[in-house]
Amino acid sequence: AQTVTQSQPEMSVQEAETVTLSCTYDTSESDYYLFWYKQPPSRQMILVIRQEAYKQQNATENRFSVNFQKAAKSFSLKISDSQLGDAAMYFCAYMDSNYQLIWGAGTKLIIKP
Amino acid sequence: EAQVTQNPRYLITVTGKKLTVTCSQNMNHEYMSWYRQDPGLGLRQIYYSMNVEVTDKGDVPEGYKVSRKEKRNFPLILESPSPNQTSLYFCASRPPRGFKGSEAFFGQGTRLTVV
Repeated sequence: AQTVTQSQPEMSVQEAETVTLSCTYDTSESDYYLFWYKQPPSRQMILVIRQEAYKQQNATENRFSVNFQKAAKSFSLKISDSQLGDAAMYFCAYMDSNYQLIWGAGTKLIIKP
Repeated sequence: EAQVTQNPRYLITVTGKKLTVTCSQNMNHEYMSWYRQDPGLGLRQIYYSMNVEVTDKGDVPEGYKVSRKEKRNFPLILESPSPNQTSLYFCASRPPRGFKGSEAFFGQGTRLTVV
């Protein structure tokens, strides 16, 4: 069965600096999708970025980018120019061939002003 | 506005008292699911539904029931809640399976406490 591991329960970064959240996964599939979701204190789940495994180019959405290493089964999220509004829980998720989402345990990101 | 509406947002109940958490989506999505979120465990799927009248167990289905009589609604039923079901619950919907990689839309969450 597929698993998703987020090894950092909590991370902190100074405002305006860059932070990287790690995510690794285990799968024998070759075609899948990976996601990062953000959960601010409001509890709303917000899609940050997604990556298709077949695409070699790393996805980018404004200040958010990923480092997708398919062979290493790694999918880290880089947040540049961190802002106070980026403070949240961040979840990494894997979509398998059965259309099911498997989630990591989450990383709490703290932004220091 | 495209949305998933989940009610109530907060609920405190006593052990054994049946409760229902409602979930409704207005995006005509075929796929809907329920998750529970616990600290250190992330989101775990309770039940999911690929279409009307089709439901399947997720990873943690014990103690829960669901029904999918209409495409838009997918209620979660706890017939005899126990304290270990105290958790944060999310309903989510997605487009049909053919739209791989599609975004999941979430409700606002229900914080359930069973005493």
